[in-house]
Amino acid sequence: AQSVTQLDSQVPVFEEAPVELRCNYSSSVSVYLFWYVQYPNQGLQLLLKYLSGSTLVKGINGFEAEFNKSQTSFHLRKPSVHISDTAEYFCAVTPTGGSRLTFGEGTQLTVNP
Amino acid sequence: GAVVSQHPSRVICKSGTSVKIECRSLDFQATTMFWYRQFPKQSLMLMATSNEGSKATYEQGVEKDKFLINHASLTLSTLTVTSAHPEDSSFYICSARDPNSPPDTQYFGPGTRLTVL
Repeated sequence: AQSVTQLDSQVPVFEEAPVELRCNYSSSVSVYLFWYVQYPNQGLQLLLKYLSGSTLVKGINGFEAEFNKSQTSFHLRKPSVHISDTAEYFCAVTPTGGSRLTFGEGTQLTVNP
Repeated sequence: GAVVSQHPSRVICKSGTSVKIECRSLDFQATTMFWYRQFPKQSLMLMATSNEGSKATYEQGVEKDKFLINHASLTLSTLTVTSAHPEDSSFYICSARDPNSPPDTQYFGPGTRLTVL
């Protein structure tokens, strides 16, 4: 079984500041890792994913994440946020080759002017 | 990109009634669809995995007689909440797998907000 922990439930930042949303996971098997974004009353949109290869993954909207196997982490970063980045962000895992997603609790990113 | 729709987007019903939520893949055939439930300020919890032409696989703790899932075609899965109660009020989200995409790829619908009075 897998589990995902997002260490911050809420992250307030000012516009144009850098941000890091933290995610740690636990699994007895190798996993794929994902970050999704959810805007109010909407479904999820994939930001980026790590399947294999380079541990630094670049996604949409200027986001990137780094897979750290030794620390079992997959933190999401953006060097300069915009107001429009305000949303809920979910980290998720699935066993390698699988499709059953396990989600973290979510982090509410609020970008203030 | 692939599009998944849900209908209705919002529904309000009285306690004791049944509500059907539809999930459609609009431009691909989805052999597998997933149903999630999301409480306010909480994460998505997988309720069941729906495979076309076969019975759904429910997660532990999810009542299969209460949450009826039908995946009768490659583009449509339905979730029926039977005898709904206020505690069933939640945001229900479906996702779909395109068999022509890698197995890690899921396309999410916009969600259905269910309010049971």
